[in-house]
Amino acid sequence: EAQVTQNPRYLITVTGKKLTVTCSQNMNHEYMSWYRQDPGLGLRQIYYSMNVEVTDKGDVPEGYKVSRKEKRNFPLILESPSPNQTSLYFCASSYRGREETQYFGPGTRLLVL
Amino acid sequence: GENVEQHPSTLSVQEGDSAVIKCTYSDSASNYFPWYKQELGKRPQLIIDIRSNVGEKKDQRIAVTLNKTAKHFSLHITETQPEDSAVYFCAARDSNYQLIWGAGTKLIIKP
Repeated sequence: EAQVTQNPRYLITVTGKKLTVTCSQNMNHEYMSWYRQDPGLGLRQIYYSMNVEVTDKGDVPEGYKVSRKEKRNFPLILESPSPNQTSLYFCASSYRGREETQYFGPGTRLLVL
Repeated sequence: GENVEQHPSTLSVQEGDSAVIKCTYSDSASNYFPWYKQELGKRPQLIIDIRSNVGEKKDQRIAVTLNKTAKHFSLHITETQPEDSAVYFCAARDSNYQLIWGAGTKLIIKP
């Protein structure tokens, strides 16, 4: 089954404790992206990757890191989480070119205390 | 860069009536405009999209129109049903291949 998976789905942590949210897709997509979703603010892009070893900042990259060592995986790293990073996070992937549908993961709800 | 504005932020319609959500964009080079639906507690999913070489596209009760001159595009849902209740997002793809998203419209279908 074609899908984007994220882990964990829910996470409660404390300020300053490093965490990683994993994202994996099995559709051989070149493009992957991370979004955060906050009430009233829609989807805001954190980082994106056009292909392996190619990453770039989105609209709200501060406090986040990413890596793209393999085509299927695109982890989101919070080195020192803060309460303002409490949010719902979505990973998404797509082909580049004619088929451009972005497929979203199920979301990760993060609470930073 | 590209900027997408979406209106209204909340739309309440009677079941069976039509709903229209409008978006405007700023970059005349944008050429791809998808609409995503996000049901409560779920992930966004593509429901329809349109490219700049087309003025209108329909899929059953859903249609999207694009006016390139005015730089706006709209989602039309006819004969609304309870399962249409959701948040709808428009987006425009900019020259860097990034989707720039509208802020979303919460559609409420009243029984």
